[in-house]
Amino acid sequence: QKEVEQNSGPLSVPEGAIASLNCTYSDRGSQSFFWYRQYSGKSPELIMFIYSNGDKEDGRFTAQLNKASQYVSLLIRDSQPSDSATYLCAVKGGDNYGQNFVFGPGTRLSVLP
Amino acid sequence: DARVTQTPRHKVTEMGQEVTMRCQPILGHNTVFWYRQTMMQGLELLAYFRNRAPLDDSGMPKDRFSAEMPDATLATLKIQPSEPRDSAVYFCASGLVLNHPTDTQYFGPGTRLTVL
Repeated sequence: QKEVEQNSGPLSVPEGAIASLNCTYSDRGSQSFFWYRQYSGKSPELIMFIYSNGDKEDGRFTAQLNKASQYVSLLIRDSQPSDSATYLCAVKGGDNYGQNFVFGPGTRLSVLP
Repeated sequence: DARVTQTPRHKVTEMGQEVTMRCQPILGHNTVFWYRQTMMQGLELLAYFRNRAPLDDSGMPKDRFSAEMPDATLATLKIQPSEPRDSAVYFCASGLVLNHPTDTQYFGPGTRLTVL
């Protein structure tokens, strides 16, 4: 079982819709969860992080964490073509990870005008 | 605007040659990470340093890869000899890691390596 899993996509949504990106992780002791956005040919860029169960909102982005289900998601409201990128989920902490960040394979999002 | 810098941005070399990649972490950050990204494997952690000391290099092929941090402003990743399968984008990232849940890391622009 992979440690951090994401649907590879591509996930296609129309402009203005809500994009929902999902991530599951295997280490129940994981402490912090991060979403990075990576445009083609560029480096990963931190969007937001979450470490408490529930929702955390930042502008058009909402991160949701459910530690019991070992599940974290990122919602992008009012999706724009400029949101088209690969979104990487990263997990930190836990017995298996130490202080390392373990990245998922990423989900490619395409927002159609 | 504090950023992680990496040099060179692109490198094309022939099999068997030595390759050295350099990274300048954000001033004040105590942890430096080296990653490799390929289409097939995604983002893989190669090694990381805390306060310049190597903490984990288990992701790095030891026979040909080496990583060092000669001072707080410079981290290096060396491949000798290079092989075509080393072709990838190599990212350096740095962070202020205090063993707190909010610790995070910031990526440099990467070095795109092509080994012919």
